Amino acid sequence: RKEVEQDPGPFNVPEGATVAFNCTYSNSASQSFFWYRQDCRKEPKLLMSVYSSGNEDGRFTAQLNRASQYISLLIRDSKLSDSATYLCVVNSDAGNMLTFGGGTRLMVKP
Amino acid sequence: ETGVTQSPTHLIKTRGQQVTLRCSSQSGHNTVSWYQQALGQGPQFIFQYYREEENGRGNFPPRFSGLQFPNYSSELNVNALELDDSALYLCASSFYRSPYGYTFGSGTRLTVV
Repeated sequence: RKEVEQDPGPFNVPEGATVAFNCTYSNSASQSFFWYRQDCRKEPKLLMSVYSSGNEDGRFTAQLNRASQYISLLIRDSKLSDSATYLCVVNSDAGNMLTFGGGTRLMVKP
Repeated sequence: ETGVTQSPTHLIKTRGQQVTLRCSSQSGHNTVSWYQQALGQGPQFIFQYYREEENGRGNFPPRFSGLQFPNYSSELNVNALELDDSALYLCASSFYRSPYGYTFGSGTRLTVV
């Protein structure tokens, strides 16, 4: 079983739609959680950190459920520029090694 | 503030050859991590360097080795290249023991033929 699992998609949605991605992680000792965005053939870039209380950044809302070991990302009012792969990322060790999920591909259509 | 730079951007090697990839870390960061990203997959942790020593390693064989220099820049060396080593190699710099503030370079795309 992979340490961080995501639905690979693709999710094809029209502009303006709301879309949600989910992710599960297997290590209950995991400490820090993130969503990264990766455009085609580019490096991953931090989208947002994820906190137990939930957090919002504009159109993006992230939630963490430690009991279920589940992380979510909600994108409201999707834009064409949101088309990318979204990587769920977990930090489980005392250092700063990041464990990535396989990514979920989002395609926003006009 | 200078970001993370990697060189070369693209590379084609023959099976069995050796390759060296280079990374200069972001100004102020003291830790460098290397990741391998195969097509259609998420990045996989190779190893991390801090104070010029390996500070953690993923599930990669010993033919993957690295160095960190006093200016925090780093090299990734891969010996006896295999076809499955074809991937995007990402370098990321950060502060020691902090998963926050990770900055990735744009990567080196290695093709082994």
